[in-house]
Amino acid sequence: EAQVTQNPRYLITVTGKKLTVTCSQNMNHEYMSWYRQDPGLGLRQIYYSMNVEVTDKGDVPEGYKVSRKEKRNFPLILESPSPNQTSLYFCASSTVSNSPLHFGNGTRLTVT
Amino acid sequence: DAKTTQPPSMDCAEGRAANLPCNHSTISGNEYVYWYRQIHSQGPQYIIHGLKNNETNEMASLIITEDRKSSTLILPHATLRDTAVYYCIASRETSGSRLTFGEGTQLTVNP
Repeated sequence: EAQVTQNPRYLITVTGKKLTVTCSQNMNHEYMSWYRQDPGLGLRQIYYSMNVEVTDKGDVPEGYKVSRKEKRNFPLILESPSPNQTSLYFCASSTVSNSPLHFGNGTRLTVT
Repeated sequence: DAKTTQPPSMDCAEGRAANLPCNHSTISGNEYVYWYRQIHSQGPQYIIHGLKNNETNEMASLIITEDRKSSTLILPHATLRDTAVYYCIASRETSGSRLTFGEGTQLTVNP
């Protein structure tokens, strides 16, 4: 089944403790992206990647890192999480030729 | 990308057609109109997209006005499972990448 898989689904952590949220897709998509969703602010793009070893900042990249060493994986790294990064995170992927975005089921992160 | 304007909420009776409007008066000629929906904190789901012509698939129909300044998403026979936030997006990105999601329309389908 074609899908975008995020892990974990829920994560509670403390300020400053490094964490990684994984994202994997099995559709051989070139494009992958991370979004965060907060009440009243909608979905905002954090980082995106057009292909392996190619990443770029989205609208809200501060406090986040990403890497794209393999086509299928696009992990989101929070080196020193802070409470303002408490949010619902989504990973998405697509091809680069007129195709829709496929989203994962989300990761709900709480930083205390 | 062009700004889109949608009503914050709409109601629809189960079994009736749901018509969700979207204004994109500043849309340029190479910008597509995309529709996604999000059911209660799940990942957004692609519904349909179009450039100039009306489009139909198994989920919905997309009607784009001739001047392309507005569009309507039609769910022909709404069910309770169609209750969701619906996002209308105008973008020149043919890959669907770099889409900017606004607040969308909360559609509630009532029994």
